[in-house]
Parts: sequence; structure tokens; C-alpha cells
Amino acid sequence: DVKVTQSSRYLVKRTGEKVFLECVQDMDHENMFWYRQDPGLGLRLIYFSYDVKMKEKGDIPEGYSVSREKKERFSLILESASTNQTSMYLCASSTQGGNEKLFFGSGTQLSVL
Amino acid sequence: AQSVAQPEDQVNVAEGNPLTVKCTYSVSGNPYLFWYVQYPNRGLQFLLKYITGDNLVKGSYGFEAEFNKSQTSFHLKKPSALVSDSALYFCAVRRNTDKLIFGTGTRLQVFP
Repeated sequence: DVKVTQSSRYLVKRTGEKVFLECVQDMDHENMFWYRQDPGLGLRLIYFSYDVKMKEKGDIPEGYSVSREKKERFSLILESASTNQTSMYLCASSTQGGNEKLFFGSGTQLSVL
Repeated sequence: AQSVAQPEDQVNVAEGNPLTVKCTYSVSGNPYLFWYVQYPNRGLQFLLKYITGDNLVKGSYGFEAEFNKSQTSFHLKKPSALVSDSALYFCAVRRNTDKLIFGTGTRLQVFP
């Protein structure tokens, strides 16, 4: 069965800390995505990668960066966590072409205190 | 820019009754439209997609969606709701280069 794995289900961090959220997919997908999910706002795209070492900003990239050194792994980095980054973070992957569905991880609920 | 709107935050329906979850879209060109479902404490799961062809698209778990170009709508439907269908439903549209843009979500509550 295909799988997108996010390293942590729950994470609690302090304001100003550097935070790494890890995502691994086992489907050899080219595309990987990071979304954040907030009540009433739905899912908003933070960053997108369509190949190793390639990245593209989504709709809300401010305060975030990403790293994709290997095809199967896509990391989201909060350089200096702030309370307004408390959210559910969802990683997803897909093949290229635009017609294929996204496969999502179970999410990481991040709380920044 | 490509976008979708889900006008209802919550939909309540009795078990056994038909259900509809609404979605309208705004795109230039031909739309690629999707529905996803999120069960409690889970990531999103794909339900169905419309790319081209028949306006009625069938998907997983007995769901279907009707594409209506004149009304720019892509409503999700099921003839007979189950309590287990209670979840959060998201409509999405493909923007350029494989990115999906999601709506704000509609919580479906099916009562026994």
C-alpha cells in the first residue's frame, strides 16, 4: 500500500525555536507538497517541489523554508517558530501530469508556545 | 486565479437520506476538479476527480459528483447517507504545474 509518512503526529515547540517537519513517501513520486490546515481556512499551500533540489513557493511561504535533497524526502523548516504557526501541517505527494491524485500523510499538529 | 468555494461550513443529514455538499469554482480554461475527504485524526483521502468527459463522475464509497459548466459547480452527492460518512469534505481545483488549491471544507454530519 502506498504511503506518505510524517515523522511526528504531535509536536510542541517554544517561540523562536527552529523546527523541522519531515515527510517521506515510498511511491517514487516527483511532486511533493506542504500544506497547513486551519479551521475555517481549509488547506493552504506553503511550498511545492517538483524534483530533487527544486522548490516553488505556494500561497503562504512567509516564515517557512523547505529542503528536498532526496526524491523521497521533503522537509519543512520553521526558522524561528512563532505562535501564529500553530497549525496542522499536511504533507502530500503525486506524480507529474496534473491528473493524478494527491496522497496525504496523517499530519503533524504543531503547537508553538 | 483558479479557486473553489464551499458555501456551507456544515451539512446535516439523516442516515438513509440523500446528501449534497456544494462546491463552485472559478477557473480560466477547462477545470480539473477534485473531492477529498478527511476522517477524524487522518490525512486527506482522494474521492473522485473530473478532468473531461461525462458530467457525472463516480468515486469511492458510493459518492458521485456532478460537473455543471453553466453554473460553475461541482457538487458532491450520495443517494443514501451513512453515519460513517460523517467527515470533513474538501473540494479542490488544479492550478498550473500540478498544484491543487483547496476550498475551506464542509463538515458533514450524518445522524442516525
